Amino acid sequence: DIVMTQSPDSLTVSLGERATINCKSSQSVLYSSNNKNYLSWYQQKAGQPPKVLISWASTRISGVPDRFSGSGSGTDFTLTINNVQAEDVAVYYCQQHETPPYAFGPGTRLEIK
Amino acid sequence: EVHLVQSGPEVKKPGESLNISCQGSGYEFNKYWIGWVRQMPGRGLEWMGIIYPGDSDNRYRPSFQGRVTMSVDKSSSTAYLQWSSLQASDTAIYYCAKHALVGSIGTWFDSWGQGTPVTVSS
Repeated sequence: DIVMTQSPDSLTVSLGERATINCKSSQSVLYSSNNKNYLSWYQQKAGQPPKVLISWASTRISGVPDRFSGSGSGTDFTLTINNVQAEDVAVYYCQQHETPPYAFGPGTRLEIK
Repeated sequence: EVHLVQSGPEVKKPGESLNISCQGSGYEFNKYWIGWVRQMPGRGLEWMGIIYPGDSDNRYRPSFQGRVTMSVDKSSSTAYLQWSSLQASDTAIYYCAKHALVGSIGTWFDSWGQGTPVTVSS
Protein backbone atom coordinates (compact mmCIF):
# COMPACT_ATOMS: atom_id res chain seq x y z
CA ASP A 1 0.00 0.00 0.00
CA ILE A 2 1.07 3.58 -0.61
CA VAL A 3 1.66 5.41 2.66
CA MET A 4 1.14 9.17 2.85
CA THR A 5 2.95 11.42 5.29
CA GLN A 6 2.51 15.14 5.93
CA SER A 7 4.53 17.83 7.62
CA PRO A 8 4.21 19.70 9.81
CA ASP A 9 1.52 18.18 12.03
CA SER A 10 0.34 21.69 12.78
CA LEU A 11 1.31 25.24 11.99
CA THR A 12 0.35 28.66 13.23
CA VAL A 13 0.60 31.68 10.96
CA SER A 14 -0.46 35.30 11.16
CA LEU A 15 -3.23 36.72 9.01
CA GLY A 16 -1.91 37.64 5.58
CA GLU A 17 1.12 35.37 5.82
CA ARG A 18 1.90 32.24 3.81
CA ALA A 19 1.32 28.67 4.98
CA THR A 20 3.15 25.74 3.42
CA ILE A 21 2.12 22.12 3.95
CA ASN A 22 4.15 19.20 2.66
CA CYS A 23 2.95 15.75 1.62
CA LYS A 24 5.03 12.75 0.71
CA SER A 25 3.98 9.41 -0.77
CA SER A 26 5.91 6.18 -0.20
CA GLN A 27 5.93 5.56 -3.94
CA SER A 28 5.35 7.68 -7.00
CA VAL A 29 1.76 8.67 -7.78
CA LEU A 30 2.73 9.94 -11.23
CA TYR A 31 0.93 7.85 -13.82
CA SER A 32 3.28 7.64 -16.78
CA SER A 33 0.66 7.03 -19.46
CA ASN A 34 -0.96 10.44 -18.95
CA ASN A 35 1.76 12.27 -16.99
CA LYS A 36 -0.72 13.14 -14.23
CA ASN A 37 0.00 13.08 -10.53
CA TYR A 38 -2.87 11.32 -8.76
CA LEU A 39 -2.73 13.54 -5.70
CA SER A 40 -5.43 15.77 -4.25
CA TRP A 41 -5.73 18.19 -1.35
CA TYR A 42 -8.73 18.60 0.96
CA GLN A 43 -9.73 21.10 3.60
CA GLN A 44 -11.81 20.02 6.59
CA LYS A 45 -13.24 22.66 8.87
CA ALA A 46 -14.48 21.75 12.32
CA GLY A 47 -17.76 19.85 12.25
CA GLN A 48 -17.89 19.67 8.45
CA PRO A 49 -17.11 17.05 5.82
CA PRO A 50 -13.92 17.56 3.81
CA LYS A 51 -13.89 19.72 0.71
CA VAL A 52 -11.55 19.20 -2.24
CA LEU A 53 -9.25 22.13 -3.05
CA ILE A 54 -6.72 20.79 -5.54
CA SER A 55 -6.76 17.86 -7.98
CA TRP A 56 -4.00 16.37 -10.11
CA ALA A 57 -1.54 17.88 -7.60
CA SER A 58 -1.81 21.40 -8.99
CA THR A 59 -5.26 22.02 -10.53
CA ARG A 60 -7.37 24.30 -8.39
CA ILE A 61 -11.00 23.16 -8.14
CA SER A 62 -13.56 25.64 -9.48
CA GLY A 63 -14.62 28.11 -6.80
CA VAL A 64 -11.53 27.66 -4.64
CA PRO A 65 -9.78 30.97 -3.93
CA ASP A 66 -6.61 31.51 -5.91
CA ARG A 67 -4.59 31.92 -2.72
CA PHE A 68 -4.58 28.11 -2.61
CA SER A 69 -2.06 26.42 -4.89
CA GLY A 70 -0.54 22.98 -5.23
CA SER A 71 2.78 21.84 -6.62
CA GLY A 72 5.06 18.85 -6.80
CA SER A 73 5.42 15.61 -8.70
CA GLY A 74 6.22 11.96 -8.16
CA THR A 75 6.44 11.56 -4.39
CA ASP A 76 6.75 15.10 -3.01
CA PHE A 77 3.96 17.64 -2.98
CA THR A 78 3.17 21.01 -1.42
CA LEU A 79 0.01 22.94 -0.66
CA THR A 80 0.63 26.67 -0.36
CA ILE A 81 -1.86 29.11 1.08
CA ASN A 82 -0.92 32.71 0.38
CA ASN A 83 -2.39 35.62 2.33
CA VAL A 84 -3.92 33.33 4.96
CA GLN A 85 -7.39 34.38 6.08
CA ALA A 86 -9.28 33.59 9.27
CA GLU A 87 -11.61 31.26 7.37
CA ASP A 88 -8.65 29.07 6.38
CA VAL A 89 -8.46 27.59 9.89
CA ALA A 90 -8.92 23.88 9.20
CA VAL A 91 -7.16 20.56 8.90
CA TYR A 92 -5.64 19.90 5.48
CA TYR A 93 -5.22 16.41 4.02
CA CYS A 94 -3.51 15.10 0.94
CA GLN A 95 -4.77 11.93 -0.72
CA GLN A 96 -3.31 9.68 -3.38
CA HIS A 97 -5.74 8.10 -5.85
CA GLU A 98 -3.28 6.29 -8.09
CA THR A 99 -3.41 2.82 -6.49
CA PRO A 100 -6.11 1.51 -4.10
CA PRO A 101 -6.34 1.81 -1.16
CA TYR A 102 -6.43 5.56 -1.79
CA ALA A 103 -4.83 6.66 1.45
CA PHE A 104 -5.09 10.08 3.01
CA GLY A 105 -2.21 11.74 4.77
CA PRO A 106 -2.52 12.19 8.56
CA GLY A 107 -3.51 15.84 8.22
CA THR A 108 -2.00 19.22 9.06
CA ARG A 109 -3.83 21.59 11.38
CA LEU A 110 -3.65 25.27 10.44
CA GLU A 111 -4.25 27.87 13.13
CA ILE A 112 -4.06 31.66 13.15
CA LYS A 113 -1.69 33.48 15.47
CA GLU B 1 -26.78 20.15 -7.94
CA VAL B 2 -25.19 17.02 -6.51
CA HIS B 3 -26.39 15.90 -3.09
CA LEU B 4 -25.35 12.96 -0.97
CA VAL B 5 -27.69 12.54 1.99
CA GLN B 6 -26.70 10.09 4.69
CA SER B 7 -28.82 8.37 7.31
CA GLY B 8 -28.95 9.69 10.85
CA PRO B 9 -26.86 9.08 13.97
CA GLU B 10 -26.75 5.56 15.38
CA VAL B 11 -26.14 4.27 18.91
CA LYS B 12 -25.50 0.54 19.10
CA LYS B 13 -24.17 -2.11 21.46
CA PRO B 14 -21.15 -4.30 20.71
CA GLY B 15 -22.11 -7.32 18.66
CA GLU B 16 -25.11 -5.65 17.04
CA SER B 17 -25.48 -5.23 13.30
CA LEU B 18 -25.82 -1.92 11.48
CA ASN B 19 -26.63 -0.64 8.03
CA ILE B 20 -26.07 3.04 7.16
CA SER B 21 -27.07 4.65 3.89
CA CYS B 22 -26.10 7.37 1.46
CA GLN B 23 -28.59 8.54 -1.17
CA GLY B 24 -27.29 10.39 -4.19
CA SER B 25 -29.17 12.88 -6.33
CA GLY B 26 -28.43 15.44 -9.02
CA TYR B 27 -26.15 13.19 -11.04
CA GLU B 28 -26.10 9.79 -12.79
CA PHE B 29 -25.64 7.64 -9.70
CA ASN B 30 -24.76 4.47 -11.63
CA LYS B 31 -21.80 6.06 -13.42
CA TYR B 32 -19.63 7.35 -10.57
CA TRP B 33 -17.66 5.37 -8.03
CA ILE B 34 -18.79 6.11 -4.49
CA GLY B 35 -16.64 5.64 -1.44
CA TRP B 36 -16.71 5.46 2.34
CA VAL B 37 -14.36 7.29 4.70
CA ARG B 38 -14.04 6.78 8.45
CA GLN B 39 -13.12 9.49 10.91
CA MET B 40 -12.62 8.29 14.46
CA PRO B 41 -13.06 10.86 17.25
CA GLY B 42 -10.38 13.53 17.01
CA ARG B 43 -8.57 11.63 14.27
CA GLY B 44 -7.87 11.91 10.55
CA LEU B 45 -9.57 10.52 7.48
CA GLU B 46 -9.34 6.81 6.64
CA TRP B 47 -10.27 5.57 3.17
CA MET B 48 -12.36 2.42 3.66
CA GLY B 49 -13.27 1.47 0.13
CA ILE B 50 -15.18 2.31 -3.04
CA ILE B 51 -17.96 0.70 -5.04
CA TYR B 52 -19.15 1.24 -8.61
CA PRO B 53 -22.95 1.29 -8.67
CA GLY B 54 -23.08 0.21 -12.33
CA ASP B 55 -21.82 -3.32 -11.62
CA SER B 56 -20.99 -3.34 -7.88
CA ASP B 57 -17.27 -3.68 -8.61
CA ASN B 58 -15.46 -2.71 -5.43
CA ARG B 59 -12.15 -2.15 -3.70
CA TYR B 60 -11.63 -2.41 0.07
CA ARG B 61 -8.78 -1.24 2.25
CA PRO B 62 -7.42 -4.58 3.54
CA SER B 63 -7.98 -3.62 7.18
CA PHE B 64 -11.73 -3.23 6.49
CA GLN B 65 -12.13 -6.26 4.24
CA GLY B 66 -14.38 -8.75 6.02
CA ARG B 67 -15.32 -6.23 8.70
CA VAL B 68 -17.72 -4.16 6.61
CA THR B 69 -19.71 -4.68 3.43
CA MET B 70 -20.43 -2.04 0.81
CA SER B 71 -23.47 -2.39 -1.41
CA VAL B 72 -25.73 -0.31 -3.64
CA ASP B 73 -29.37 -0.18 -4.66
CA LYS B 74 -29.45 1.34 -8.13
CA SER B 75 -33.22 1.69 -8.10
CA SER B 76 -33.06 4.17 -5.23
CA SER B 77 -29.59 5.62 -5.97
CA THR B 78 -28.48 4.56 -2.52
CA ALA B 79 -25.19 3.18 -1.25
CA TYR B 80 -24.95 1.21 1.96
CA LEU B 81 -22.27 0.35 4.48
CA GLN B 82 -23.04 -2.53 6.80
CA TRP B 83 -21.59 -4.31 9.79
CA SER B 84 -22.66 -7.73 11.03
CA SER B 85 -21.06 -7.38 14.45
CA LEU B 86 -20.04 -3.97 15.72
CA GLN B 87 -17.14 -3.30 18.05
CA ALA B 88 -16.49 -0.31 20.28
CA SER B 89 -13.61 0.60 17.96
CA ASP B 90 -16.16 1.19 15.17
CA THR B 91 -17.21 4.38 16.95
CA ALA B 92 -16.62 7.10 14.37
CA ILE B 93 -18.20 9.40 11.81
CA TYR B 94 -18.65 7.68 8.47
CA TYR B 95 -18.75 9.76 5.31
CA CYS B 96 -19.82 8.73 1.86
CA ALA B 97 -18.30 10.60 -1.05
CA LYS B 98 -18.57 10.55 -4.82
CA HIS B 99 -15.73 10.28 -7.28
CA ALA B 100 -15.25 13.29 -9.53
CA LEU B 101 -14.98 11.77 -12.99
CA VAL B 102 -17.56 9.57 -14.69
CA GLY B 103 -16.61 5.89 -14.68
CA SER B 104 -13.09 6.62 -13.46
CA ILE B 105 -11.73 4.67 -10.48
CA GLY B 106 -8.69 6.85 -9.93
CA THR B 107 -10.07 10.24 -9.02
CA TRP B 108 -10.65 12.43 -6.02
CA PHE B 109 -13.88 12.80 -4.06
CA ASP B 110 -15.73 15.90 -5.28
CA SER B 111 -18.94 15.67 -3.22
CA TRP B 112 -19.42 14.41 0.32
CA GLY B 113 -22.33 13.41 2.47
CA GLN B 114 -22.88 15.12 5.80
CA GLY B 115 -21.53 12.15 7.74
CA THR B 116 -23.22 9.52 9.91
CA PRO B 117 -22.02 9.41 13.54
CA VAL B 118 -21.93 5.87 14.89
CA THR B 119 -21.46 5.20 18.60
CA VAL B 120 -20.87 1.65 19.82
CA SER B 121 -21.00 1.29 23.56
CA SER B 122 -22.23 -1.23 26.09
